[in-house]
Amino acid sequence: DTAVSQTPKYLVTQMGNDKSIKCEQNLGHDTMYWYKQDSKKFLKIMFSYNNKELIINETVPNRFSPKSPDKAHLNLHINSLELGDSAVYFCASSPTRAGDTEAFFGQGTRLTVV
Amino acid sequence: DAKTTQPPSMDCAEGRAANLPCNHSTISGNEYVYWYRQIHSQGPQYIIHGLKNNETNEMASLIITEDRKSSTLILPHATLRDTAVYYCIVRVAWGAGSYQLTFGKGTKLSVIP
Repeated sequence: DTAVSQTPKYLVTQMGNDKSIKCEQNLGHDTMYWYKQDSKKFLKIMFSYNNKELIINETVPNRFSPKSPDKAHLNLHINSLELGDSAVYFCASSPTRAGDTEAFFGQGTRLTVV
Repeated sequence: DAKTTQPPSMDCAEGRAANLPCNHSTISGNEYVYWYRQIHSQGPQYIIHGLKNNETNEMASLIITEDRKSSTLILPHATLRDTAVYYCIVRVAWGAGSYQLTFGKGTKLSVIP
């Protein structure tokens, strides 16, 4: 079983569209994250949720809206997609939000905006 | 901004130990050092973490200097599958008991046959 799974793996869409990426973890973790890896390969945190509550919200456009229906799921909805949104998006989870626990990452969703 | 400094790239002969250095001179007393790796666009993979004592697991060993300003990740017998970008990360406190992983540029390790 995949611990952190993201769907879809690849997403190609036109500018201006709205799209969602889904993430599910079956590890029983309390904390989930979204990271963005751009073309220069820098990984940056976007959001973090702990027990469905938003705890980290980095400076991202408000076109990006995370949704956590339960603590096993953290979906990412993106409105009015732009060319600069093209990147690989990684979901991750960790047992707690404390400083001494490891995070497990999904395999990523490669978003291409054309 | 990342709080760590790593060499951009390193080579290692297959079967030899790979020693990856990391400087984190501004680390605070309660911040952990984490190592992750990313194999060719896969999701980052956790390797090991530590606070001040040396740590070992089935993947690697982590040696942290006494002043905690630097550390070394050791892969004891590197294989071709260890070719990846290795990230040394200090887990940064965000506030309200939360921490985040701040990835830097990492070290691209190439294991050579």
